[in-house]
Amino acid sequence: NAGVMQNPRHLVRRRGQEARLRCSPMKGHSHVYWYRQLPEEGLKFMVYLQKENIIDESGMPKERFSAEFPKEGPSILRIQQVVRGDSAAYFCASSGYYGYTFGSGTRLTVV
Amino acid sequence: KNEVEQSPQNLTAQEGEFITINCSYSVGISALHWLQQHPGGGIVSLFMLSSGKKKHGRLIATINIQEKHSSLHITASHPRDSAVYICAYDPNTGNQFYFGTGTSLTVIP
Repeated sequence: NAGVMQNPRHLVRRRGQEARLRCSPMKGHSHVYWYRQLPEEGLKFMVYLQKENIIDESGMPKERFSAEFPKEGPSILRIQQVVRGDSAAYFCASSGYYGYTFGSGTRLTVV
Repeated sequence: KNEVEQSPQNLTAQEGEFITINCSYSVGISALHWLQQHPGGGIVSLFMLSSGKKKHGRLIATINIQEKHSSLHITASHPRDSAVYICAYDPNTGNQFYFGTGTSLTVIP
């Protein structure tokens, strides 16, 4: 059981490019959560997904950010036209019967 | 306003000391979690509590539901315990966590 797998671990993008962050939940988990940790700040909820459904996206910025969790494959957090303020650590978590497990995060740097 | 308050914000201890980190919250919850984050690292879930006390190795977590307060204790602290410790709660919705800003612990050999 490999746990929650996030890739890439580090991602560098130039302003205006797109960033795609992937999250594979723990085996048997069907709920995925994305959180963002800005420098020197705490973790903030972004979005909660189940397979093929967005359950709660109240923490997602209104523009440029989207998330999906398709029937097959990992959950994707997509940031279009990145800006310097998007530089942060993005964590994914999945939940199931035995609780909540976090991934190691993707550190996005926008240059 | 952050509904989860942690104290202290920063903590330095000598190896072997007993450490306490506190967490207060202001709403009804279904569970409170303690998480550990090493510098540049991922997040590890240490405990999930809905009542009472849990122990894992040198770590002990307690919660008082009436007082809306939880503590994380580390006995016989070690430099490898140096990390940020975060408390987070689930407000009965199951949708998300709300996080404290963390306590940065440094244990000096």
